[in-house]
Amino acid sequence: RKEVEQDPGPFNVPEGATVAFNCTYSNSASQSFFWYRQDCRKEPKLLMSVYSSGNEDGRFTAQLNRASQYISLLIRDSKLSDSATYLCVVCFGNEKLTFGTGTRLTIIP
Amino acid sequence: DAGVTQSPTHLIKTRGQQVTLRCSPISGHKSVSWYQQVLGQGPQFIFQYYEKEERGRGNFPDRFSARQFPNYSSELNVNALLLGDSALYLCASTLLTVNTEAFFGQGTRLTVV
Repeated sequence: RKEVEQDPGPFNVPEGATVAFNCTYSNSASQSFFWYRQDCRKEPKLLMSVYSSGNEDGRFTAQLNRASQYISLLIRDSKLSDSATYLCVVCFGNEKLTFGTGTRLTIIP
Repeated sequence: DAGVTQSPTHLIKTRGQQVTLRCSPISGHKSVSWYQQVLGQGPQFIFQYYEKEERGRGNFPDRFSARQFPNYSSELNVNALLLGDSALYLCASTLLTVNTEAFFGQGTRLTVV
C-alpha cells in the first residue's frame, strides 16, 4: 500500500463548478498535512496546510479526518487558473515530506 | 530575496556517467531536502540535510549521495547513471524542519540517454 494515495484524475471541470479531491494516508502517526499545487513543468508550491479543525482560504477549504486517515480539498467557483496538479503531502517526524501521485485538474471554459 | 536556486536547469548525460546537481536555499534556511520526480508521479524523498548533517535518507541506492556546505548550499551526486534516473530533481528549503513550509527550487531536469 502506498503511503499517500490520491485519485490521479484527470478531473475535467467546467468553470465555476465545485470540485473536491480526497487523499488517504497509511501512517496513523503522521503529524503534518499539506496540499501543494504544481503547474506543468514547474516546481510544487504550498497551497495550504491542513489542520484537524479544517481551514479555509478564500475559495479553498481543506479538511483532515485523523480517524479515517484522509485529507480533502474543496475548490469552489473554480477558475481557469486553478488548472494544475494538486499534490497531497503528509509529514511524519522532521525528516521528509511524503507526496501522493497528484491529482490533475483541468478547468474547462 | 532570492528563492531557492538550482543549477543546472537541464542536463543530458549518458549511461554510466556521474552528475552533480547544486542547490542554494533561501537565505536563513538551514534545512535542504532533495526529491526525485519521475513524469506522472509525485516527488520522492532522497535526502534531508540540516545544519550540514544528514537527517534522513529515502529508499535510493548508494549511487546517490549528497552533502551540505557551511553556507547551507547542497550538492546531490549520482554515480553510474541509469536510464531510470531520468527525472526532475527538486531541492526544497525550509527554515528549520520540514513541518514548516517547504520552498522548492525550479528543479534540474536530468535526461539519461
